[in-house]
Amino acid sequence: AQKVTQAQTEISVVEKEDVTLDCVYETRDTTYYLFWYKQPPSGELVFLIRRNSFDEQNEISGRYSWNFQKSTSSFNFTITASQVVDSAVYFCALILGGNTGKLIFGQGTTLQVKP
Amino acid sequence: SAVISQKPSRDICQRGTSLTIQCQVDSQVTMMFWYRQQPGQSLTLIATANQGSEATYESGFVIDKFPISRPNLTFSTLTVSNMSPEDSSIYLCSVETASYEQYFGPGTRLTVT
Repeated sequence: AQKVTQAQTEISVVEKEDVTLDCVYETRDTTYYLFWYKQPPSGELVFLIRRNSFDEQNEISGRYSWNFQKSTSSFNFTITASQVVDSAVYFCALILGGNTGKLIFGQGTTLQVKP
Repeated sequence: SAVISQKPSRDICQRGTSLTIQCQVDSQVTMMFWYRQQPGQSLTLIATANQGSEATYESGFVIDKFPISRPNLTFSTLTVSNMSPEDSSIYLCSVETASYEQYFGPGTRLTVT
């Protein structure tokens, strides 16, 4: 069965701290895609990144970085020097190669960044 | 990327009534999707809507309760029929771009009293 697990329900940090959000996925497919989304209090879902299963290169975008490790089936997300505006619910999601569009979401991690 | 709008942004409805949610995207896309997010929960796919064919529903969702239309490549509607308080959720449409990225609309917050 396919599944995405975000074990951290809530994380609270103080501004400027680094924080890592964990994501572990399960699938027997060799072709799949992993996503991260941000959902601020306003409710919209903001696309952050898409990674395919054949590309294990880590990615950095400003203060955001992602670490993809197939050996541990993990796709972790790190925010460096966190800011109050980073406070949101973050979702990790999975699409299998043959199921275009069917996102399987984790339960989400609520990040609170305190000033 | 894709710019997606939804109408209405929120609504409060009485049980037993129906609400139609509209989703408009700024470019032509083959696949559009409807998700539900119940309070404090993650997102669950309701159905996939392809232009020119019947929507494909996920387990636990049926056409009589959530009829979907997809009249063209930029527009879709989702109707929540015969509503009950359990239908109170955020309903989001999403599209998949040619580069296989998925973008979401701003959502429709539905409260059923």
